[in-house]
Amino acid sequence: QVQLKESGPGLVQPSQTLSLTCTVSGFSLMDYSVHWVRQPPGKGLEWMGRMKYDGDTYYNSALKSRLSISRDTSKSQVFLKMNSLQTEDTAIYYCTRESYGSYRFFDYWGQGVMVTVSS
Amino acid sequence: DIVMTQSPSSLAVSAGETVTINCKSSQSLLYSGNQKNYLAWYQQKPGQSPKLLIYWASTRQSGVPDRFIGSGSGTDFTLTISSVQAEDLAIYYCQQYYDTPYTFGAGTKLELK
Repeated sequence: QVQLKESGPGLVQPSQTLSLTCTVSGFSLMDYSVHWVRQPPGKGLEWMGRMKYDGDTYYNSALKSRLSISRDTSKSQVFLKMNSLQTEDTAIYYCTRESYGSYRFFDYWGQGVMVTVSS
Repeated sequence: DIVMTQSPSSLAVSAGETVTINCKSSQSLLYSGNQKNYLAWYQQKPGQSPKLLIYWASTRQSGVPDRFIGSGSGTDFTLTISSVQAEDLAIYYCQQYYDTPYTFGAGTKLELK
């Protein structure tokens, strides 16, 4: 069955770089695009960026200067790196699968990983 | 960016009631090329990740009960939940996928009266 699972450090110091991994199963990264979405505690959802099935990447312009998304198809993993973290980057980070047909709604979500930015 | 405005922000209901959640977009989500509205609805229960309920404004995702009904077109959309059950208590988000950045409404929290 389709699964996505995020992993990474729970605590990051201000100004440091966040590195997260999304490991997927049940589908191929060469057939489906994967997105990252985050949710600050008690707040709404923010789309961060997309790793397209063909390897292209797209970013939210609000984060583009700090964000990088890459992948390793052999390991079925998508990576998120974001630098210059601040306290407002404290959030649950989700990876999600884009629906088949490249329409950008999300039919499967990972459980999320809580990242706290604090010294 | 397309701004998604949901109302109300919270709603207290009794089991068995019908509820309506509204979502308004700052520009039309109707694509003339295929006459589809690029609007999805998600349900997020406490401590869980969001779950896709509706896409194309009115198409239910597989396995979603038929008491969840999406409607609307252009800039105004509605999620109706008929005969609310206790398991429906959650936060509901609309999302536009018409243009980047893909944006979500602030959410509507459904609570028990």
